[in-house]
Amino acid sequence: AQKVTQAQTEISVVEKEDVTLDCVYETRDTTYYLFWYKQPPSGELVFLIRRNSFDEQNEISGRYSWNFQKSTSSFNFTITASQVVDSAVYFCALRGYSTLTFGKGTMLLVSP
Amino acid sequence: EAGVAQSPRYKIIEKRQSVAFWCNPISGHATLYWYQQILGQGPKLLIQFQNNGVVDDSQLPKDRFSAERLKGVDSTLKIQPAKLEDSAVYLCASSSVGGGDQETQYFGPGTRLLVL
Repeated sequence: AQKVTQAQTEISVVEKEDVTLDCVYETRDTTYYLFWYKQPPSGELVFLIRRNSFDEQNEISGRYSWNFQKSTSSFNFTITASQVVDSAVYFCALRGYSTLTFGKGTMLLVSP
Repeated sequence: EAGVAQSPRYKIIEKRQSVAFWCNPISGHATLYWYQQILGQGPKLLIQFQNNGVVDDSQLPKDRFSAERLKGVDSTLKIQPAKLEDSAVYLCASSSVGGGDQETQYFGPGTRLLVL
């Protein structure tokens, strides 16, 4: 069975602060994919990034960066210089040989 | 490119009534998924189709939920009769088959169901 843990239920920051969202996963599959999705108040899940298990390169996209470490089974997400528009629930998800499994999400509140 | 379309966006019904949700995936996407998202949780897969065949429906409560994708394009999810615990957001997603992006699921806006 696969499992995704997002230990942070809610994070509050002030605009321009950096914030890191943690994600720890469990799987016995040798090949798997990790994802981050953003869910704003409108409800739609917006795809942010996919990373496969054999590519541990970190990735940066604008203010977003992702740190994948197989040794600690973690796939953390950092937002640099946060903005009010970043306020949303962020989900980490894992897909091995079976279905896509989501964590419970981290609600990020960015205040002006 | 148009995204995943869902309707209605909101639905309020009384328990024991029936309800149906509709989904149209991204054009060309062969795989379609229905998820249930209860407040405060991540989405949970209900059923997965590839074209018009069911790939996985192990988590679908078949005594009250049904889904179909007759022509391999759009899909309908039905609940009959509804229970209070069915109050949730129902998300539809689609993904392509083959190619580099096949593992990524793209989601629609969801249908928020409230059962009174």
